[in-house]
Amino acid sequence: QVQLVQSGAEVKKPGASVKVSCKASGYTFINSYMDWVRQAPGQGLEWMGMINPSGGKTTYAQRFQGRVIMTSDMSTSTVYMELSSLRSEDTAVYYCARDDVGWEDWGQGTLVTV
Amino acid sequence: DIQMTQSPSSLSASVGDRVTITCRASQSISRYLNWYQQKPGQAPKLLIYLASSLHGGVPSRFSGTGSGTDFTLTISSLQPEDFATYYCQQSFNIPRTFGQGTKVEI
Repeated sequence: QVQLVQSGAEVKKPGASVKVSCKASGYTFINSYMDWVRQAPGQGLEWMGMINPSGGKTTYAQRFQGRVIMTSDMSTSTVYMELSSLRSEDTAVYYCARDDVGWEDWGQGTLVTV
Repeated sequence: DIQMTQSPSSLSASVGDRVTITCRASQSISRYLNWYQQKPGQAPKLLIYLASSLHGGVPSRFSGTGSGTDFTLTISSLQPEDFATYYCQQSFNIPRTFGQGTKVEI
């Protein structure tokens, strides 16, 4: 079955960067885009961007342009999301999700505390 | 960007009640509308895709209707495990956008 396993919780100081990983298994990695979504405490879901693991083409939400970088490593079937210039408002749970007509596969979430 | 507006933002209901949540898109999204259920501390779970298709393993008491700009999620008979927050999401274009959520409480 499809599994998306994310890296563990992080605590960062303001101004620092964080890099979250999402390791995929159970499907052909290069056949599906991967999305990143975050959820601040008590808030809703916010789309951050997506990456095509085959070739690395990315599309970012405008509000994260210049601060987020998404990459992929086909050799390990892993995608990464790096967010820089962290501020307190970036405290959230960050999720990866396999992009499809409906997103049936999600990572378990990674709590980033700034 | 396509704005997704859900209503209500929260509701109180009892076991056995019929519950309806609506989602309105700021422009037509055809049928590219998904519904998710999220419980505290968990990732969202897909319930409905393409407006009305029930995801595998989801109980048949959940149903979705709509096309264009107006959509509804209906729970025909609320069960204890259905108390959660529900989100709509459009997959018509990028950026993917979500509704603000509807919290279903006892």
